[in-house]
Amino acid sequence: EVVMTQSPVTLSVSPGERATLSCRASQSVRNNLAWYQQKPGQAPRLLIYAASTRASGVPTRFSGRGSGTEFTLTITSLQSEDFAVYYCQQYNFWPPYTFGQGTKLDIQ
Amino acid sequence: QVHLVQSGAGVWRPGASVNVSCKASGYSFTDHAMHWLRQAPGQGLEWMGWINGGNGHTIYSQTFQDRVTITRDTASNTVYLLLSGLRSEDTGVYFCARGRSRPLSVANNWFDPWGQGTLVTVSS
Repeated sequence: EVVMTQSPVTLSVSPGERATLSCRASQSVRNNLAWYQQKPGQAPRLLIYAASTRASGVPTRFSGRGSGTEFTLTITSLQSEDFAVYYCQQYNFWPPYTFGQGTKLDIQ
Repeated sequence: QVHLVQSGAGVWRPGASVNVSCKASGYSFTDHAMHWLRQAPGQGLEWMGWINGGNGHTIYSQTFQDRVTITRDTASNTVYLLLSGLRSEDTGVYFCARGRSRPLSVANNWFDPWGQGTLVTVSS
């Protein structure tokens, strides 16, 4: 099973600033990585797939990078609606599909 | 527009079975896999299993292998999750999610969209 590790667990950033979230895989998953946003009481929403491709309707302030074992999600010019929990998911090796434990993006 | 609508929340006794449904609309049901995932209270996301919308083939996570059954009804575009032998640790929100890939495949999926979630509470 591929273990996904996200850091930090919590990230406090002020509105208008940039946030960078990290995700590491225990073995190479090539670029088969997705990012999701989850707000309280809601289902996760797909943001990024194939490590760097934005899903339909996702604002351009969201960008993904990386390949192999190291990945980042960057959110520039944070808006109030961006404060949420973010998960990475690998889909290179399955079953099972595996997720990171999440990064909570907090308002500073 | 793609929609996944799940059945409602409820409380089940330990040892009972729960059947959660997920009705899909807005896309070709048989071209995609449907996945089930679980989120325990305050915790992260855990993949439970998958059904091929076309041929009904299933694959389950080893964590749930002995207790889970996923089925589909192509006439109503609905997928079902049956989880048996419920225990308190099964309390959580259960999500269905359509599998996506490029090119289109039932393998190597990311998940989009997700159903709204079904809260299953296991309590005596």
